[in-house]
Amino acid sequence: GESVGLHLPTLSVQEGDNSIINCAYSNSASDYFIWYKQESGKGPQFIIDIRSNMDKRQGQRVTVLLNKTVKHLSLQIAATQPGDSAVYFCAEILIQGAQKLVFGQGTRLTINP
Amino acid sequence: DTEVTQTPKHLVMGMTNKKSLKCEQHMGHRAMYWYKQKAKKPPELMFVYSYEKLSINESVPSRFSPECPNSSLLNLHLHALQPEDSALYLCASSLAGMRQPQHFGDGTRLSIL
Repeated sequence: GESVGLHLPTLSVQEGDNSIINCAYSNSASDYFIWYKQESGKGPQFIIDIRSNMDKRQGQRVTVLLNKTVKHLSLQIAATQPGDSAVYFCAEILIQGAQKLVFGQGTRLTINP
Repeated sequence: DTEVTQTPKHLVMGMTNKKSLKCEQHMGHRAMYWYKQKAKKPPELMFVYSYEKLSINESVPSRFSPECPNSSLLNLHLHALQPEDSALYLCASSLAGMRQPQHFGDGTRLSIL
């Protein structure tokens, strides 16, 4: 089965609140992770990435946390805005055999006004 | 706007038709990818080209035939497709390999009659 998955398929938050999207991975040898945002009718858009030698990485309004002990990845979005409504995918580089990017099932983030 | 351009945006074809999907990027990326995405599912890798050579074929049926004429272009030739092949076909590119962010186009929505 998929090595990357998400705890919740949907998440609703109030505009202005912070959002936290979680992801679990099962392959402890994976060393590169990416978060993508996919809006309706568009392709996945790169948000932020993190390598396994880091625990945290920050971008503009987003933070990715990596906990290798429990194989958990999270994306925090600060001050959520209506434009943040989308499906968010975590993705992992599997390094067993031919390297390839494997996506989790996705979380749909809905922003309530 | 995405820097990976895919044409056409929509395609309807019969099972006996031959058509091609096209993808273009001018970011100087040397790795290009084809993904298939069914509704409400994550993208799934089909093919990887690295420096214009096919490096990964994820056991894709031969009715899908990829081609990389040069470092900026990627085609996917379609022939004798089945209704279950209806999906969003996404092209992506990255600088040189898997451990760098992949940038996606907005896809071709393919419907097989």
